[in-house]
Amino acid sequence: GEDVEQSLFLSVREGDSSVINCTYTDSSSTYLYWYKQEPGAGLQLLTYIFSNMDMKQDQRLTVLLNKKDKHLSLRIADTQTGDSAIYFCAESNTDKLIFGTGTRLQVFP
Amino acid sequence: NAGVTQTPKFQVLKTGQSMTLQCAQDMNHEYMSWYRQDPGMGLRLIHYSVGAGITDQGEVPNGYNVSRSTTEDFPLRLLSAAPSQTSVYFCASQDRGLNEQFFGPGTRLTVL
Repeated sequence: GEDVEQSLFLSVREGDSSVINCTYTDSSSTYLYWYKQEPGAGLQLLTYIFSNMDMKQDQRLTVLLNKKDKHLSLRIADTQTGDSAIYFCAESNTDKLIFGTGTRLQVFP
Repeated sequence: NAGVTQTPKFQVLKTGQSMTLQCAQDMNHEYMSWYRQDPGMGLRLIHYSVGAGITDQGEVPNGYNVSRSTTEDFPLRLLSAAPSQTSVYFCASQDRGLNEQFFGPGTRLTVL
């Protein structure tokens, strides 16, 4: 079955860049997503990338997709304390989303 | 628009009790789903629905029932609660023409 994996924790200093990585197994994925979950809240879509794209940039966020290696990354430039949250990678090839375990990003001053 | 709403926010049950988690959306979305979130396991799909009158099982459906009598509502029923169902439950909805699922704020359920 489909599987999506992420490392559980990432700690960065304020102002540095953060890179959160994700690997997936479903080669027929159509879309890949990054969601953000702040404490006590639901998930919010940050960005998504279509599977025929290599890169997508949106302000401080850069998504890179290596379809051959089934590897997705999210880079957050100039990381701020407000970026502290859990970040979920997800993939879909139908209406269903398959989520990774989430990466807890901690930003320290 | 209220978006996706869930009630209750918190619930404590005893083993064997039953209850219904409510979910409603006012965006006229066809697709709705229920997830549970457990530490270190991400979100796992319990049940989903692609429209009124249509439901299907997700990854972890055992112990849960759903129905979709209207487009707006998608309740999740726990038939006989077990401690293994202690979790945070999220409802989500999606317009099938878009690429974003909208999540509710979650229900934190504890089964003693």
